[in-house]
Amino acid sequence: KAGVTQTPRYLIKTRGQQVTLSCSPISGHRSVSWYQQTPGQGLQFLFEYFSETQRNKGNFPGRFSGRQFSNSRSEMNVSTLELGDSALYLCASSVLQGYEQYFGPGTRLTVT
Amino acid sequence: KNEVEQSPQNLTAQEEEFITINCSYSVGISALHWLQQHPGGGIVSLFMLSSGKKKHGRLIATINIQEKHSSLHITASHPRDSAVYICAVSQNTGNQFYFGTGTSLTVIP
Repeated sequence: KAGVTQTPRYLIKTRGQQVTLSCSPISGHRSVSWYQQTPGQGLQFLFEYFSETQRNKGNFPGRFSGRQFSNSRSEMNVSTLELGDSALYLCASSVLQGYEQYFGPGTRLTVT
Repeated sequence: KNEVEQSPQNLTAQEEEFITINCSYSVGISALHWLQQHPGGGIVSLFMLSSGKKKHGRLIATINIQEKHSSLHITASHPRDSAVYICAVSQNTGNQFYFGTGTSLTVIP
């Protein structure tokens, strides 16, 4: 089975722009979670989607949003980028909520 | 105050040493997870446990629910074990994780 894939792997954007990151979960996995990792704050939970519905949301501003499609693929969007949004964005999938999560390789976003 | 505290933050060991990383948490949990992150960013889930003890190869994870404490042990450590080890807890039945700050392990040949 193919693992979790994320695209793109690397991205450079300018302050004020918006960005969309994509995550394809392992086949058969219905839950997708997104995380942000920065040197200062470490790993933080962004949101979780299950069956196209956002089930949990972390403490991030409304500029961070996401969605999940019927095939369980998920996208996250960050609007009006700030320098502090530079981070590694990881997604993880699991069969169902509460089951072991499998992480993708991440998208490294740099905002200049 | 962080919901999840890990110690030590950094650890250097000689090859073959027995290693212990500790994790304490302050919230009610449905499960505790140990994750491994290698340079470059990829994260691998090592263990997911809600009670007792689990073993996988040279890795052993234990959890004491009453004391809200977990330990990750590595027996006969090897340089390839060098990585950041992260403790995370999940609540209820969701996948929202609270993460520790990680333990950076370096195993010297």
